[in-house]
Amino acid sequence: AQTVTQSQPEMSVQEAETVTLSCTYDTSESDYYLFWYKQPPSRQMILVIRQEAYKQQNATENRFSVNFQKAAKSFSLKISDSQLGDAAMYFCAYRSSPNFGNEKLTFGTGTRLTIIP
Amino acid sequence: ETGVTQTPRHLVMGMTNKKSLKCEQHLGHNAMYWYKQSAKKPLELMFVYNFKEQTENNSVPSRFSPECPNSSHLFLHLHTLQPEDSALYLCASSQDRIQETQYFGPGTRLLVL
Repeated sequence: AQTVTQSQPEMSVQEAETVTLSCTYDTSESDYYLFWYKQPPSRQMILVIRQEAYKQQNATENRFSVNFQKAAKSFSLKISDSQLGDAAMYFCAYRSSPNFGNEKLTFGTGTRLTIIP
Repeated sequence: ETGVTQTPRHLVMGMTNKKSLKCEQHLGHNAMYWYKQSAKKPLELMFVYNFKEQTENNSVPSRFSPECPNSSHLFLHLHTLQPEDSALYLCASSQDRIQETQYFGPGTRLLVL
């Protein structure tokens, strides 16, 4: 079974600065997907970024980028130019490739990010 | 309305009550999911429906009963719950079982007294 570990329960960053959230996972599969979801205090879980394991290039979405290290099974999220609206719980998630027929998302326990004005 | 909506947003119920949670998605998706989010625990997948058929029941107690009358609507019927069932219940949808990106609703905060 796959597991996802987020070792930082809480993080804080000064507004406009850069912060990196850590995520590691354990799997024996070679093809899979990784996600970062954001859950603001309003509770709506929002997809931030996704990465296909077969792609070596790190995914980027505006101020959000990942550092995907497949061999190390590491998938960190970097937020540049942090804004007050970035304050939320961030969840890392793993999903097997459709070839394995398992649509289950496995989530980490989350990192609460606070933005300091 | 767009995206995935859930009602009610908050629910307080006694252990002998029967209530239902509703989820509706406006994305044209065919797969829908129920998750349970408890404090300091990872999200737990409860049920999966694909084209109205239940494809996964993740060892959920029978006091939780899902219903999917069509691809746009998903219900979670609750009866004789326990206090430990208090949690945030999230609904999600995806294009189908194969599509890897799931879109979430805002959740229903449930408190069982």
